[in-house]
Amino acid sequence: QITLKESGPTLVKPTQTLTLTCTLSGFSLSTSGVGVGWIRQPPGKALEWLALIYWDDDKRYSPSLQSRLTITKDTSENQVVLTMTNMDPVDTGTYYCAHATYASSGYDAFDIWGQGTMVSVSS
Amino acid sequence: DIQMTQSPATLSASVGDRVTITCRASQSISSWLAWYQQKPGTAPKLLIYRASTLESGVPSRFSGSRSGTEFTLTISSLQPDDFATYYCQQYNSYPYTFGQGTKLEIK
Repeated sequence: QITLKESGPTLVKPTQTLTLTCTLSGFSLSTSGVGVGWIRQPPGKALEWLALIYWDDDKRYSPSLQSRLTITKDTSENQVVLTMTNMDPVDTGTYYCAHATYASSGYDAFDIWGQGTMVSVSS
Repeated sequence: DIQMTQSPATLSASVGDRVTITCRASQSISSWLAWYQQKPGTAPKLLIYRASTLESGVPSRFSGSRSGTEFTLTISSLQPDDFATYYCQQYNSYPYTFGQGTKLEIK
């Protein structure tokens, strides 16, 4: 059974760096055709895609946030880590990680999501 | 970026109704379109991928279709469990983008 679980601080101060960890279970990012993405959701608002990392270490970022984001994987720990620098109150929201697999001609939709972790940015 | 325009923003309906939610892409995304259902305080759940393929375990009253760059999610007969917010998402090209969501309310 595939599961993902996010962890990290619930409160960060403005200008600080946020580090979130997604712990994977039931699959490995060393397996061909697997990807893990990060998506966030401000309170009461829509979903926003942030970043994706693939089994072969290919990485993709949202252009609007690329300068602040870094996504990495630790296959020995079966984790994916997202760091976001220079946090601002507008970055407050729930952060999700999600699983994707390669289909016949491209990576498919996020089929399994973590429960999410709420992050508040406030001084 | 590809813009996903979802409508309506809010939809009021009754149990047993047939409802349709629409998502229009600002450019071609082939069939790389997913629909998710989200209930308050929970993560989104994948309903449909590749525009019309039903995710395993999702009731058959949910269906998806495509006409060019316009995509539709249809619920054939609303059940009490279906009242939630629905999002479309394109994954044809980066950055992946979501629609603004449709909140399905009980009339």
